[in-house]
Amino acid sequence: DAGVIQSPRHEVTEMGQEVTLRCKPISGHNSLFWYRQTMMRGLELLIYFNNNVPIDDSGMPEDRFSAKMPNASFSTLKIQPSEPRDSAVYFCASMPGTTDTQYFGPGTRLTVL
Amino acid sequence: DAKTTQPTSMDCAEGRAANLPCNHSTISGNEYVYWYRQIHSQGPQYIIHGLKNNETNEMASLIITEDRKSSTLILPHATLRDTAVYYCIVRVEGAGSYQLTFGKGTKLSVIP
Repeated sequence: DAGVIQSPRHEVTEMGQEVTLRCKPISGHNSLFWYRQTMMRGLELLIYFNNNVPIDDSGMPEDRFSAKMPNASFSTLKIQPSEPRDSAVYFCASMPGTTDTQYFGPGTRLTVL
Repeated sequence: DAKTTQPTSMDCAEGRAANLPCNHSTISGNEYVYWYRQIHSQGPQYIIHGLKNNETNEMASLIITEDRKSSTLILPHATLRDTAVYYCIVRVEGAGSYQLTFGKGTKLSVIP
């Protein structure tokens, strides 16, 4: 299995631009998570999907952030408009229905200038 | 979820056992102890978890004290590739529980 796939691995953009991060979970997993990691705040859960339905989005910082999961094999995290304080590493993780173990992707390093 | 306390950093000689402690004195009866690690520039990686019995897998062993207020992750023969930040997380399993609350973890440096 290829594991959780995220793209792009690195993204550099200018303030005000729209950014879309992509995630392909492990096949057969029915839960998906988006996390953000910064030096100041560590790893924070942004949103959690179960069976493609958003269950908990209380970690989404503000309305500029949105996430979708149109099907079981794809999710996006969009930031519009982006700001320098959004610079971070964004991780996607998936979890099978049979255990509570989360499997993380390699992350997308976002830099907003 | 119960709060955990870990040392900020530890060193271990290559080939020796690395013993990483974690205190979780407020753990509840239905909370499990999970360990993840994060190698530099990679996503967190699951290592092992347990409730009250000691556990062992191909990566590590988990020793949980009888009162469950602390635990130790043991990497039996540390290699340079085990240099990482190790996170001890206490959480309830199942029944819609999904939160993984990562603290600051222990930065383990394996020294040649």
